[in-house]
Amino acid sequence: GQQLNQSPQSMFIQEGEDVSMNCTSSSIFNTWLWYKQDPGEGPVLLIALYKAGELTSNGRLTAQFGITRKDSFLNISASIPSDVGIYFCAGQLSGTYKYIFGTGTRLKVLA
Amino acid sequence: NAGVTQTPKFQVLKTGQSMTLQCAQDMNHNSMYWYRQDPGMGLRLIYYSASEGTTDKGEVPNGYNVSRLNKREFSLRLESAAPSQTSVYFCASSERRVSGTEAFFGQGTRLTVV
Repeated sequence: GQQLNQSPQSMFIQEGEDVSMNCTSSSIFNTWLWYKQDPGEGPVLLIALYKAGELTSNGRLTAQFGITRKDSFLNISASIPSDVGIYFCAGQLSGTYKYIFGTGTRLKVLA
Repeated sequence: NAGVTQTPKFQVLKTGQSMTLQCAQDMNHNSMYWYRQDPGMGLRLIYYSASEGTTDKGEVPNGYNVSRLNKREFSLRLESAAPSQTSVYFCASSERRVSGTEAFFGQGTRLTVV
């Protein structure tokens, strides 16, 4: 099946550190979405990006829509224990209503 | 704000049994989706409905059927459950804009087929 390449798969970081993760694809997307999923819950939307080059922040989170429209990254600054969870990117394929998901980045924050 | 509501939250089926997963959204969204999530696989699209009256296959439609009952409701049916369909199922909805929009998810249905 078609999925986005998301990296890293998992990471352990110290509280207070900054985190970066990214998604890449060979397909062009007209929307990039970043979600966080806690155990036993559905994905919750963090940030939505609609234009190539767009840089958007939501508190300590910053995400960018790549210029080529084939990639996106998410940064979390000054991580805290409640940032623990799985982060997913999702892209809406250009010209369609379909969303394709990355395989997720599992984040663990060490206090 | 209910958002996207899925029922049931948990279900155990025997191989060969059938069941329908229900999904309803109260955001007046046109598009609705069914995904399954397996460990290490992310979310894979089963079926989607771009608008009321239309449905289309996603990446993994085999063994499933869907019904877009009205604008609010989109159900997923397993006619003859198989162990390979053990998964967590998520319903989502979004506005119908090809130019891009956000998708919002329900809490999931955890299905085990024994």
